[in-house]
Amino acid sequence: SQQGEEDPQALSIQEGENATMNCSYKTSINNLQWYRQNSGRGLVHLILIRSNEREKHSGRLRVTLDTSKKSSSLLITASRAADTASYFCATDRYNQGGKLIFGQGTELSVKP
Amino acid sequence: SQTIHQWPATLVQPVGSPLSLECTVEGTSNPNLYWYRQAAGRGLQLLFYSVGIGQISSEVPQNLSASRPQDRQFILSSKKLLLSDSGFYLCAWTLQGYEQYFGPGTRLTVT
Repeated sequence: SQQGEEDPQALSIQEGENATMNCSYKTSINNLQWYRQNSGRGLVHLILIRSNEREKHSGRLRVTLDTSKKSSSLLITASRAADTASYFCATDRYNQGGKLIFGQGTELSVKP
Repeated sequence: SQTIHQWPATLVQPVGSPLSLECTVEGTSNPNLYWYRQAAGRGLQLLFYSVGIGQISSEVPQNLSASRPQDRQFILSSKKLLLSDSGFYLCAWTLQGYEQYFGPGTRLTVT
């Protein structure tokens, strides 16, 4: 079964607006990672947040992690048309050889 | 810096034909290696992972197999392809507990 579940499945916003995507998971994790995938391409790593961290920033990206609720959110501020892509969360559980369990992703469309 | 290569980029194969997809990693030693498959519009499904040469773990029983003949080489194979094997195949590497990095992928169409 999927460990990570993203919400919403699809999101359409105007350029300049903020986009928030959520991820929920079921079991304890070592870390949680967010990835971006442009259509037909490989995945690009965005941010890794460890289980003992609550918030992380990278440029226009902000990730939060609430281990008590088993949830994470990815915020993209001041979105651009180039941010149009699918975004996936993936969880890395303890003692699992680094295996990642991916959710189904959120498809983000940023309209110019 | 580390680089991961996959080839071919696209492949069209008839049902019943064999398959060999190759993945190599440069710039790191003893990485964990992974094969994922992504169906259209879906998330990634882990197929195989390897923590060392000759060590392969299978996640999903299926028509595919994997091998790791060298430290930085990971091969995905099939003796006879099925229509359901069509998809986007991604190789990835990591040093355990850290970020996982993906290759560009191979789009396989079985006809």
